[in-house]
Amino acid sequence: GESVGLHLPTLSVQEGDNSIINCAYSNSASDYFIWYKQESGKGPQFIIDIRSNMDKRQGQRVTVLLNKTVKHLSLQIAATQPGDSAVYFCAENMNSGYSTLTFGKGTMLLVSP
Amino acid sequence: DTEVTQTPKHLVMGMTNKKSLKCEQHMGHRAMYWYKQKAKKPPELMFVYSYEKLSINESVPSRFSPECPNSSLLNLHLHALQPEDSALYLCASSQDGTGPNNSPLHFGNGTRLTVT
Repeated sequence: GESVGLHLPTLSVQEGDNSIINCAYSNSASDYFIWYKQESGKGPQFIIDIRSNMDKRQGQRVTVLLNKTVKHLSLQIAATQPGDSAVYFCAENMNSGYSTLTFGKGTMLLVSP
Repeated sequence: DTEVTQTPKHLVMGMTNKKSLKCEQHMGHRAMYWYKQKAKKPPELMFVYSYEKLSINESVPSRFSPECPNSSLLNLHLHALQPEDSALYLCASSQDGTGPNNSPLHFGNGTRLTVT
């Protein structure tokens, strides 16, 4: 289930389940969005991106959905594996001429075998 | 492994020390970034270099001094830091940060800095 703890919101799933991580972004002028995965002791790793002229984009085992009406972004991970355990950040970029990404608060995904 | 290399991986320094963090990328990217990340928090932008020129300084205290010697290298010079500056310092690069064709940032694994 999903819980909001003292620090990062945490989503706990069983191996093989599908996971959905949600993100509310802040700026209606943002036109580019990225999902990053950050494992302990490492930097954020690019997963998938989507531009504001799209509402869905699929990658390998991942799908990003964008709802601009309610400023909502989600990341779906199919057949979640223990190696997917990490903190997931959504990031938005307002088209200011530079890729100055602003990160959301993050969600910790815990996958049990 | 990341294509953005940061050194050192760990650094402990006193408040009177001067040290430098280094970052290198060989992807031909023309924009480079410094982000700061505290534990269990998202990365926060500090500086942006575009085509080797400082483009954005997010009101960072002057005890942090960035430098971009060439398009592949980015340094962060540290002087008279405070214990609250202890954090993970992340370097990133992107192909080109201009216009509507924004490109994703590629991050290094960071330097874990402890100020004593």
